[in-house]
Amino acid sequence: DGGITQSPKYLFRKEGQNVTLSCEQNLNHDAMYWYRQDPGQGLRLIYYSQIVNDFQKGDIAEGYSVSREKKESFPLTVTSAQKNPTAFYLCASSIEGGSEYFGPGTRLLVL
Amino acid sequence: AQSVTQLDSQVPVFEEAPVELRCNYSSSVSVYLFWYVQYPNQGLQLLLKYLSGSTLVKGINGFEAEFNKSQTSFHLRKPSVHISDTAEYFCAVSGYNTDKLIFGTGTRLQVFP
Repeated sequence: DGGITQSPKYLFRKEGQNVTLSCEQNLNHDAMYWYRQDPGQGLRLIYYSQIVNDFQKGDIAEGYSVSREKKESFPLTVTSAQKNPTAFYLCASSIEGGSEYFGPGTRLLVL
Repeated sequence: AQSVTQLDSQVPVFEEAPVELRCNYSSSVSVYLFWYVQYPNQGLQLLLKYLSGSTLVKGINGFEAEFNKSQTSFHLRKPSVHISDTAEYFCAVSGYNTDKLIFGTGTRLQVFP
């Protein structure tokens, strides 16, 4: 079955620690996205990538980094510079001009 | 640039009653419009989308939406809701020349027995 997988489902981070969220898709989509979801704020775009080895900042990129070395994978690193990282993180992918398909999400909690 | 407004943060409704979730957008260019549903602790699932053609769009789970260009609206409707429709609903817009979606803040639909 084609789809998007995100791991882990829950992630705990200590203060000052970097953590990496995984996103893998087998839909052969060129574009991939990372969103952050906070209660009452909808989804906000962190980074997106339209092609391998290229990515652009979204609306709230500060404190985050990404890589796109393979078409199937778009990992997101939440760095210690992100002062309020507790949130639900959603990865998505799409073909050009198509709808976005979403993964099941990763909930990050700072201890 | 585009923006999306979902005026109702919460909509309570009794089972088998009709429901309308409102969505208004602003854009200086032609747009594509989407409705997504999110069940608790899950990702988003596409309900329906408007790309072109008929302004009345039918989606999954008995939902439909009507694109009204003059009122810049894309309201979501269902004639008879079920308990299982309880979820968060997001309206989204993208311009013709971009793959990026702009999301509204969401409307929580709560269906009571």
